[in-house]
Amino acid sequence: NAGVTQTPKFQVLKTGQSMTLQCAQDMNHEYMSWYRQDPGMGLRLIHYSVGAGITDQGEVPNGYNVSRSTTEDFPLRLLSAAPSQTSVYFCASSYSGRINQPQHFGDGTRLSIL
Amino acid sequence: KQEVTQIPAALSVPEGENLVLNCSFTDSAIYNLQWFRQDPGKGLTSLLLIQSSQREQTSGRLNASLDKSSGRSTLYIAASQPGDSATYLCAVNSGGSNYKLTFGKGTLLTVNP
Repeated sequence: NAGVTQTPKFQVLKTGQSMTLQCAQDMNHEYMSWYRQDPGMGLRLIHYSVGAGITDQGEVPNGYNVSRSTTEDFPLRLLSAAPSQTSVYFCASSYSGRINQPQHFGDGTRLSIL
Repeated sequence: KQEVTQIPAALSVPEGENLVLNCSFTDSAIYNLQWFRQDPGKGLTSLLLIQSSQREQTSGRLNASLDKSSGRSTLYIAASQPGDSATYLCAVNSGGSNYKLTFGKGTLLTVNP
């Protein structure tokens, strides 16, 4: 049981480049979320999904796109990378309808934008 | 808007000491509160989840308490060990949906042998 898997673990991009951060979970969780973690800021919610085909914006969605075509996968896309998007990105998943179940997190993707 | 504050930002203790980490939140209308552990370069591991109707939860040497009315939670670690060294994060679920957590900035704990 792999849990939440994020790839890549590290990435360096140049300003203006695009890339997709991958997230997959094998727990059949309906809910999936993307957070970014910055020094002195804590974790902030970027986008979330309550099921396949349904996504919505979180606290800091600008510059990011998401889609959810399957229950298992929830990729995060940077269309035109900016230095302000240098951060550590975490994907999380949890059951729906059970608000007292913990979220499960991946190990993160460390992204640097030059 | 919910805000979560953790005090202290960093804590260094000798091995064997009992310690308390603090978390406060501004909106008492929460569904649950979670404590996570984060090791350097790693993701978050859920330690304890306290439902809004509960006062405390225990797991091994960890005990978390919740006082909704005052907007406070504490994480008590008994007989600390060097392996407890990590960042501890507090997060509240105040939206009724288990995909939107508001996090504190964490407490960096160092347990010295």
